[in-house]
Amino acid sequence: EIVMTQSPATLSVSPGESVTFSCRASQTVLSNLAWYQQKPGQAPRLLIYRASTRATGIPDRFSGSGYGSQFTLTISSLQSEDFAVYYCQQYSNWPRTFGPGTKVDIK
Amino acid sequence: EVQLVESGGGLVKPGGSLRLSCAASGFTFSSSTMNWIRQAPGKGLEWVSSISSRSDYIYYADSVKGRFTISRHNAKNSLYLEMNSLRAEDTAVYYCAREVSIFEVLSGFDYWGQGTLLTVSS
Repeated sequence: EIVMTQSPATLSVSPGESVTFSCRASQTVLSNLAWYQQKPGQAPRLLIYRASTRATGIPDRFSGSGYGSQFTLTISSLQSEDFAVYYCQQYSNWPRTFGPGTKVDIK
Repeated sequence: EVQLVESGGGLVKPGGSLRLSCAASGFTFSSSTMNWIRQAPGKGLEWVSSISSRSDYIYYADSVKGRFTISRHNAKNSLYLEMNSLRAEDTAVYYCAREVSIFEVLSGFDYWGQGTLLTVSS
């Protein structure tokens, strides 16, 4: 099983700031990496797939990068609606595995 | 409009059984790989099971293998999860989700239902 780790666990950010957080896989997943946003009481929403491709309707302030085992998600100019938990997930192998999440909250 | 609507959750005693259903609309269900993903209260996401469009490929997480069975009925646009020998640690919100295929490569879960809560407790 590919183990996904994310850091940091929590980030406190002011609106308008930019934020970058990390995701690491225990072995290479090539570019088979997705990012999700989840707000309280809601289902996750796909933000990024193939490590860097934005899903339909996702604003361009969200960007992903990385390859192999190290990935990052950057949110430029954080908006109020961006405060949420962000998960990475690999789809290179079965079982599909998620990282534990990074919570972005308001400073 | 894409919709995935889960149903069948509830309170079950340890060792009991339950079947979850997911009704799909607004996309070509019969061509889609479908999944169950769960989230224990206050915890992260855990993939549970996947079934290919024609049910020829099925995968399970080790935590549910031998106890849960995924199935689908394409003519009814429905996905199911039969759960047996339930344990307290199966308590979670269960989401059905489509794993999108882009250029014939599975590429993440793009459609999600709102989830159904399963509570396993005596």
